Amino acid sequence: EVQLVESGGTLVRPGGSLRLSCAASGFTFDDYAMSWVRQVPGKGLEWISGINSNGESADYADSVKGRFTMSRDNAKNSMYLQMNSLRVEDTAFYHCARDEGSLGTDAFDIWGQGTMVIVSS
Amino acid sequence: DIQMTQSPSSLSASVGDRVTITCRASQSIINYLNWYQQKPGKAPKLLIYAASSLHTGVPSRFSGSGSGTDFTLTISSLQPEDFATYYCQQSYALLRTFGQGTKVEVK
Repeated sequence: EVQLVESGGTLVRPGGSLRLSCAASGFTFDDYAMSWVRQVPGKGLEWISGINSNGESADYADSVKGRFTMSRDNAKNSMYLQMNSLRVEDTAFYHCARDEGSLGTDAFDIWGQGTMVIVSS
Repeated sequence: DIQMTQSPSSLSASVGDRVTITCRASQSIINYLNWYQQKPGKAPKLLIYAASSLHTGVPSRFSGSGSGTDFTLTISSLQPEDFATYYCQQSYALLRTFGQGTKVEVK
């Protein structure tokens, strides 16, 4: 079964750091670019970061650029989001998503259920 | 960044209704436009990619159209399982962006 499972979400103080993980299974992980998408409960989806298939290039939304770093370990079928200088407004569910590039337009065809990050004092 | 604007933000409809949701991009994105459905407590699901192509397993009552800056998602005959929130998303730019969502509610 094709699956993405996030972990690492927890309660953290403002200014703190956290590392999220996403474990992939059921497909050839290093064939795909991947992304992180977050969602404040009750609000819309926000793409925050994407990484190419070999991990050499990553892009970030302005809201997290300079604070978050995305990486991947293809040998472990996993990707990560290092979150530093966390702010209250970073509180959200964080989903990892597979970027299917063979459809003619990149689309997020597989999603994890998400892990919750709460930034609060 | 490319801004995506959906309308309406919410709508009320009945089973069997034809429902149309629009999405406008702040610049041309050609056909790099995807649509997702999300139900409460669940991850989003891909419905339509490349503006008009139906993703595997998605019922044929869903269709997408448009190019350039203006796009439409249509549900030809709304079913009970279609009450959800729908998002458009552009993949033209490296910095992907979503629309704010359209919630389809029971009338």
